[in-house]
Amino acid sequence: DGGITQSPKYLFRKEGQNVTLSCEQNLNHDAMYWYRQDPGQGLRLIYYSQIVNDFQKGDIAEGYSVSREKKESFPLTVTSAQKNPTAFYLCASSMGKNSGNTIYFGEGSWLTVV
Amino acid sequence: GQQVMQIPQYQHVQEGEDFTTYCNSSTTLSNIQWYKQRPGGHPVFLIQLVKSGEVKKQKRLTFQFGEAKKNSSLHITATQTTDVGTYFCVSGYALNFGKGTSLLVTP
Repeated sequence: DGGITQSPKYLFRKEGQNVTLSCEQNLNHDAMYWYRQDPGQGLRLIYYSQIVNDFQKGDIAEGYSVSREKKESFPLTVTSAQKNPTAFYLCASSMGKNSGNTIYFGEGSWLTVV
Repeated sequence: GQQVMQIPQYQHVQEGEDFTTYCNSSTTLSNIQWYKQRPGGHPVFLIQLVKSGEVKKQKRLTFQFGEAKKNSSLHITATQTTDVGTYFCVSGYALNFGKGTSLLVTP
């Protein structure tokens, strides 16, 4: 809910172009996550970060890249290497990766490749 | 992370009928969280269960954690169209959301 801002909400990209999705949080959370959701499907983890300057691959990291230069920011780049990038992308954060921490989501970004 | 299986994947009910979704694990869970995602929206935290046999209620929603802490359920009494969405159970780290259960309620 509140405190996580994703932009843009809607984005169109031509094949072969890279695109970067922004995610900013003001919750002072250590952990941040990127998920991908396809129509009628669940959430699949792309990348996550537990602290600044550190991040790990999730289940479907191929074709994506991230950075975590600041605690508040965790941008996701969808590269031209991602074969099927059209999807709904959700950024989230939590106090930590540890079990029991509530996960807060941004409102998501819809990416369409044309 | 701890892998949890959720069933059913889809459920279609008439308004006023009850609905239940189940989460099962082969291992003991430290806790379980439930989230709801409305169509076109983002997942929102509903509740967390921690204790063995715990039962919590939120209006028409009843959440249970099994005695062995290997399963959990969400039961909605007398569904309304506002209950439409996908319900996720998550345990362990935030890494395993799975497919959830998509609920459709017909007026």
